[in-house]
Amino acid sequence: QVQLVQSGAEVKKPGASVKVSCKASGYTFTSYGISWVRQAPGQGLEWMGWISAYNGNTNYAQKLQGRVTMTTDTSTSTAYMELRSLRSDDTAVYYCARDPTVRFLEWLGWFDPWGQGTLVTVSS
Amino acid sequence: QSALTQPASVSGSPGQSITISCTGTSSDVGSYNLVSWYQQHPGKAPKLMIYEVSKRPSGVSNRFSGSKSGNTASLTISGLQAEDEADYYCCSYAGSSTFVFGTGTKVTVL
Repeated sequence: QVQLVQSGAEVKKPGASVKVSCKASGYTFTSYGISWVRQAPGQGLEWMGWISAYNGNTNYAQKLQGRVTMTTDTSTSTAYMELRSLRSDDTAVYYCARDPTVRFLEWLGWFDPWGQGTLVTVSS
Repeated sequence: QSALTQPASVSGSPGQSITISCTGTSSDVGSYNLVSWYQQHPGKAPKLMIYEVSKRPSGVSNRFSGSKSGNTASLTISGLQAEDEADYYCCSYAGSSTFVFGTGTKVTVL
């Protein structure tokens, strides 16, 4: 079955960086993209960006531009999301989700399935 | 972009139908048929329930249906069941290669 398994919880200090992994199985990794979505404690969902596992093209939410980098390793069917210069308001559960969009601008607009989530806590 | 507006809570009795609204603008919901809906149980990852306004993924009950009129999309749950109690989020393409989620709605089965 299609599955996305994320790395474990992280605790980071303000100003540090975090890199979350998302290992895909059960489908052809390069036929899809991966989107990342985060959810602050008790809050709603926030779209962070997308990467094509087909060609590595990326598209980031404007508010995260310059702090976020999404990459993939097609040899291991794994996607990564690195967030730098962490602040307390980056504390959230970070989700990866399979995205049917593989080419920039050909947005299909849905995410399925989702990984189990990775809690990133930013605290001094 | 601002989050799409959803009611904070909706409730209904078992067997009833409820509808959750998702109000955006002419720049997002009103301009694209790329509205999706997600169900999230406490402590769990979201699950896709509806995509492209009204399409249902395989495995999702036909009690769930979606529609759109103008700048407002809607999710209807018919024959409400206890297992439907969860948070629900809409999501829309917002142009300029961005996506925006709704504020979320807590569904309570009375």
